[in-house]
Amino acid sequence: GDSVTQMEGPVTLSEEAFLTINCTYTATGYPSLFWYVQYPGEGLQLLLKATKADDKGSNKGFEATYRKETTSFHLEKGSVQVSDSAVYFCALSDRQGAQKLVFGQGTRLTINP
Amino acid sequence: ETGVTQSPTHLIKTRGQQVTLRCSSQSGHNTVSWYQQALGQGPQFIFQYYREEENGRGNFPPRFSGLQFPNYSSELNVNALELDDSALYLCASSYRDRGRREQYFGPGTRLTVT
Repeated sequence: GDSVTQMEGPVTLSEEAFLTINCTYTATGYPSLFWYVQYPGEGLQLLLKATKADDKGSNKGFEATYRKETTSFHLEKGSVQVSDSAVYFCALSDRQGAQKLVFGQGTRLTINP
Repeated sequence: ETGVTQSPTHLIKTRGQQVTLRCSSQSGHNTVSWYQQALGQGPQFIFQYYREEENGRGNFPPRFSGLQFPNYSSELNVNALELDDSALYLCASSYRDRGRREQYFGPGTRLTVT
């Protein structure tokens, strides 16, 4: 079945550092791809999405490009802030049936001032 | 626009008991999905309801059941609770007919089974 693999965490960076969180996927069709963020004690918030190959999703300084040839959707940000500390989940949604979300295991990010 | 809400926030139950969790969808959404998130893990799909009918199910036993009401609110029922059912239960709503796939999550209900 479909699956998502994220880079192992936790990740700790200093403020203003460059961030990359790797995400690769396995899917039989052409899924839509998402990044969700979960702040402590809260539910998941949609951060960005891409629905087809070569699409770039972006929001709040974060970007990710849908790479079909490498089946990847890596999350990047040029300069992180303390407020970006959270758990980040990569997910895919198939285009058939329930279009359920399949999540990776999550990557905990801590930004130190 | 009202977001997704869930109740209760926290719940403690004993093994063997039954529990009902509730969710109100975001205004204008007609589809609700439920996910189970164990500690330190990504959410796992339980099932989805669209127009009051189950529209897909993950790898969960029949003791996990649900309902969707005409106002698109929803319930998740779990019978014969087991210790492994302890988790954060997330409800997500979306508008299926427009082909959009993004789902909007509520804050979750933290269930502890002792």
